[in-house]
Amino acid sequence: QSALTQPPSASGSPGQSVTISCTGTSGDVGGYNYVSWYQLHPDTAPKLMIYEVSKRPSGVPDRFSGSKSGNTASLTVSGLQAEDEADYYCSSYAGSNNLLFGGGTKLTVL
Amino acid sequence: QLQLQESGPGLVKPSETLSLTCTVSDGSISSSTYYWAWIRQQPPGKGLECIGTIYYTGSTYYNPSLRSRVTISVDTSKNQFSLRLSSVTAADTAMYYCARSDYYSNLDPWGQGTLVIVSS
Repeated sequence: QSALTQPPSASGSPGQSVTISCTGTSGDVGGYNYVSWYQLHPDTAPKLMIYEVSKRPSGVPDRFSGSKSGNTASLTVSGLQAEDEADYYCSSYAGSNNLLFGGGTKLTVL
Repeated sequence: QLQLQESGPGLVKPSETLSLTCTVSDGSISSSTYYWAWIRQQPPGKGLECIGTIYYTGSTYYNPSLRSRVTISVDTSKNQFSLRLSSVTAADTAMYYCARSDYYSNLDPWGQGTLVIVSS
């Protein structure tokens, strides 16, 4: 069982928006603004999509956005494209070098 | 652009030691800004787990659940860092990734990963 809770699946049609949640506790997600989101495609290196809750690394489309409220962080993908179909994992710093991950969400573009 | 590449045996026998190396290219492992991390996904396709991190000075952090079996080391002359996991069981079968980490554990970039199967 993962430390952070994500829905196992999410889906949307091309052009739609989808939001994936990541729920932790006050000791991790709620206590630090260091939530990241990663995209995993088969046979490719995982990719950082969002860091520090809502910041986008260079090269990540602005269709990807992040937010946080209390102990729950969210990743929103707007204007869904076929290439967005992948597994998405959240992570949170939890103090003292401790890093926690979510169980992952499989995003399907219908 | 910094790249990382994992290498090592893809098959390890139960009770033996898993050994992997991550080679960093197009950048220095001796950067004072970053740490270097090992992460695994077990079984492949399931949740991620941070195994531990190392700084170029050799300072380490290990996941408490694995601490008794894990050793992470760094070789700055070869721009590599390594993972050793002892007394492996089938539960250690996983995709193992290396990645660069900042202080707050933002992991970027990652290596492509290497699948390690524990089986006799």
